[in-house]
Amino acid sequence: EPEVTQTPSHQVTQMGQEVILRCVPISNHLYFYWYRQILGQKVEFLVSFYNNEISEKSEIFDDQFSVERPDGSNFTLKIRSTKLEDSAMYFCASSEDTSTNEKLFFGSGTQLSVL
Amino acid sequence: RKEVEQDPGPFNVPEGATVAFNCTYSNSASQSFFWYRQDCRKEPKLLMSVYSSGNEDGRFTAQLNRASQYISLLIRDSKLSDSATYLCVVIGANSGYALNFGKGTSLLVTP
Repeated sequence: EPEVTQTPSHQVTQMGQEVILRCVPISNHLYFYWYRQILGQKVEFLVSFYNNEISEKSEIFDDQFSVERPDGSNFTLKIRSTKLEDSAMYFCASSEDTSTNEKLFFGSGTQLSVL
Repeated sequence: RKEVEQDPGPFNVPEGATVAFNCTYSNSASQSFFWYRQDCRKEPKLLMSVYSSGNEDGRFTAQLNRASQYISLLIRDSKLSDSATYLCVVIGANSGYALNFGKGTSLLVTP
């Protein structure tokens, strides 16, 4: 079965540093997403991306966050100046289109620890 | 009020038992409903969609009551491998197509 891959699986960074989380969505998918889950909390939507632009974002996704599809395969999430509260598991996901949103495929996540 | 609410559990049941989870959502305009499963420290995986007419997939039955804004999941003949957190997910609770997750209900099936 095709899968969404994320790297790295773990990222440790110092507060104030920039981090880039990387994702390779499923190749024929057109919609890409980032979600996060703080330990012990619910999974939260950050942003969706389609046709090289953000289609939807949550209030969590402030100016510190940005997304990019730098080439035909990668989808990245950048956090410009990390804060302690950014520590979480970050999940990338993709889908063929929004009408099949239930067919959202999640990657295995990047655990970000901000010290 | 939380947009998607679930009883966190944990539900501890013996193998073979039947267990039911409930979920309520606050926005009557919500459009689509799902149950996801999440194993510890892993990504969420779609278990099943939830339709107004109710739907069944093997040992799993999901039902939606739009009038009461209530979703349920029934697991029959529980297996040890069913141990996980079950996430109630709603689309359209805010706006757009983002998945809006509940915090999950933890299930532990014991021998």
